[in-house]
Amino acid sequence: GAVVSQHPSWVICKSGTSVKIECRSLDFQATTMFWYRQFPKQSLMLMATSNEGSKATYEQGVEKDKFLINHASLTLSTLTVTSAHPEDSSFYICSARDPVTSVSYEQYFGPGTRLTVT
Amino acid sequence: QKEVEQNSGPLSVPEGAIASLNCTYSDRGSQSFFWYRQYSGKSPELIMSIYSNGDKEDGRFTAQLNKASQYVSLLIRDSQPSDSATYLCAVKRIGGSYIPTFGRGTSLIVHP
Repeated sequence: GAVVSQHPSWVICKSGTSVKIECRSLDFQATTMFWYRQFPKQSLMLMATSNEGSKATYEQGVEKDKFLINHASLTLSTLTVTSAHPEDSSFYICSARDPVTSVSYEQYFGPGTRLTVT
Repeated sequence: QKEVEQNSGPLSVPEGAIASLNCTYSDRGSQSFFWYRQYSGKSPELIMSIYSNGDKEDGRFTAQLNKASQYVSLLIRDSQPSDSATYLCAVKRIGGSYIPTFGRGTSLIVHP
C-alpha cells in the first residue's frame, strides 16, 4: 500500500505557541490529503481536506484560522496549530489517497503526531 | 441515526477463537467498505476492503458484506493476543467526495 509519513511523531509546546505538522506521501502523488484529530478513546474526527494548490476545505466547527493547512506540493501537506492551548492536545493524523491505485477510495494513514500543549 | 454504527465493546475472546466484529450503515447507496485496525496510540491501518455482497477472505481475516441488510462484518479466525486493538469500519457512499465515514470502532481483546 501507499506510504504516508508524518513529522514530528510527538511534540510538546507551551500554550500560546504555534506548531507545524508535516504530512508526506512517500511513493505517490496525493492531490488530496486529509487531516483528522482523535482524542483518547474517541473516534476519528475529520478536520479538513487539504487540496494541492488550493484552499483547504474545513469541516463544520473547525476553526480555519486556528488550524492552518497548506498543501503546496503533490507530496506535502502541513497543518499548523496556531496559538495552541491545552485543549488542542490530541493525536493528529493525516491520510492520503493514491489516485492511481486507490480506485476504490482506500485511505492510507500517516503514523500520527501526538501534540501536548502545556 | 449515526451513519456508521459499531458496538464499542470491548469484545473479549480467548486466544484461538473466532472474533466477529459487526458494523451497520444507514446509506443504501454505499459502495465501498473498509476495515481498519488501530492499536492503542497508533494510527489506523487498512486491513480489508470489500465492495460486493458476500465474503472476502485474506489470511485469517474474512469480510462479509450484505447490502440488503446494510451490514458489514469482519471475522478474525484463530485470534491472537496481537489482534487486540480497535477495529474501525469505514463506508464510502456513492457520489460526492471520496471521504469515507468512519464508525467509532470496536475494541477487541484477545486473552491468552
